[in-house]
Amino acid sequence: KNEVEQSPQNLTAQEGEFITINCSYSVGISALHWLQQHPGGGIVSLFMLSSGKKKHGRLIATINIQEKHSSLHITASHPRDSAVYICGYHRTGNQFYFGTGTSLTVIP
Amino acid sequence: NAGVTQTPKFRILKIGQSMTLQCTQDMNHNYMYWYRQDPGMGLKLIYYSVGAGITDKGEVPNGYNVSRSTTEDFPLRLELAAPSQTSVYFCASSYSGANYGYTFGSGTRLTVV
Repeated sequence: KNEVEQSPQNLTAQEGEFITINCSYSVGISALHWLQQHPGGGIVSLFMLSSGKKKHGRLIATINIQEKHSSLHITASHPRDSAVYICGYHRTGNQFYFGTGTSLTVIP
Repeated sequence: NAGVTQTPKFRILKIGQSMTLQCTQDMNHNYMYWYRQDPGMGLKLIYYSVGAGITDKGEVPNGYNVSRSTTEDFPLRLELAAPSQTSVYFCASSYSGANYGYTFGSGTRLTVV
């Protein structure tokens, strides 16, 4: 049973396209995390959000706590955005769950 | 600021050998975590700590041990390495729990042969 579902699993886009990655979860949480894993393997924390929307540069993350759904948007995509994007949450105690990620390739 | 430092970056172990993966953070974060990432799988929590002297099991703790004697250090010990422990290991830290962002180390790629 996957605690976190991401879609799509793989995504190829042309440079400049608007990209949306979706994340759904099945339990009530207080905050959701979006991570970026570079092709070399390093992981960077992009957003932690508990409501509404956050924006950082060309990246926008939204969350609907009632619907248990979050989206990550990338505007004006660029080849350097090519990475795996991972969502997940920490609920209580040892309940830390991350999805398998969405692999994004942006073609010049 | 170095952030979260993990060593080694790569290691090959023979079945039955033991080793310690080192993790140090210099951000005075209370929470520290060890995850493993297998191909095609999400990050799985092995152990975590909410402060010095306090550790707790995550989703996949079998075959591993941890200690947290200081706020900065959170080593992961593998006893009697098995091929199933071949994975990429990430250490991470956060100021507190659920509502704070993570800082990840660069990862350790471990192969058990």
